[in-house]
Amino acid sequence: KAGVTQTPRYLIKTRGQQVTLSCSPISGHRSVSWYQQTPGQGLQFLFEYFSETQRNKGNFPGRFSGRQFSNSRSEMNVSTLELGDSALYLCASSARTGGTEAFFGQGTRLTVV
Amino acid sequence: AQSVTQLDSQVPVFEEAPVELRCNYSSSVSVYLFWYVQYPNQGLQLLLKYLSGSTLVESINGFEAEFNKSQTSFHLRKPSVHISDTAEYFCAVSEGPLTGGGNKLTFGTGTQLKVEL
Repeated sequence: KAGVTQTPRYLIKTRGQQVTLSCSPISGHRSVSWYQQTPGQGLQFLFEYFSETQRNKGNFPGRFSGRQFSNSRSEMNVSTLELGDSALYLCASSARTGGTEAFFGQGTRLTVV
Repeated sequence: AQSVTQLDSQVPVFEEAPVELRCNYSSSVSVYLFWYVQYPNQGLQLLLKYLSGSTLVESINGFEAEFNKSQTSFHLRKPSVHISDTAEYFCAVSEGPLTGGGNKLTFGTGTQLKVEL
């Protein structure tokens, strides 16, 4: 069974631009969560989507948004990029929402210059 | 709100020696507990989980962790480490049943395990 697929793996963007990251969960999984990992702040929860609905949201500005499609694939968008948005963005896939483990993708390394 | 404390940022250990990576959590509700491992430039791999049942959980590669509710701990142990265990280890919690918290994970700051010859 294929794992969680995140594309692209690496991305370089300029300050002020916007970016869209993609995540395909494990087949049959309906929950997708996003995390930001930085050396200074560690791993922080961005949001969770389940059956196309945002289930939970972390403490990030409105520049960070996401959505989930009917096939459970999810996208995350960051608008008006700032240097501080440089991070590893990780997507996690779960079979249901709550009471189960999350499986992570390899991540997308975003560098803002 | 929940929080996770990993008391050691780095743990050096010789190969074949035992190791314990400490994790304490704080939560006003029941929790599920996880350990994840991250190798350089990789995502997180689930090492083991406590959802319910036996408080001692084991992984296929020799790690084990014990959920101690009274001490709010979930320490990770391995009786004999190998060079290939060198990685960063993260402890995480999510809200338990009947709380509606979904899959949101709160992570500790990580412990870098360095196994030396």
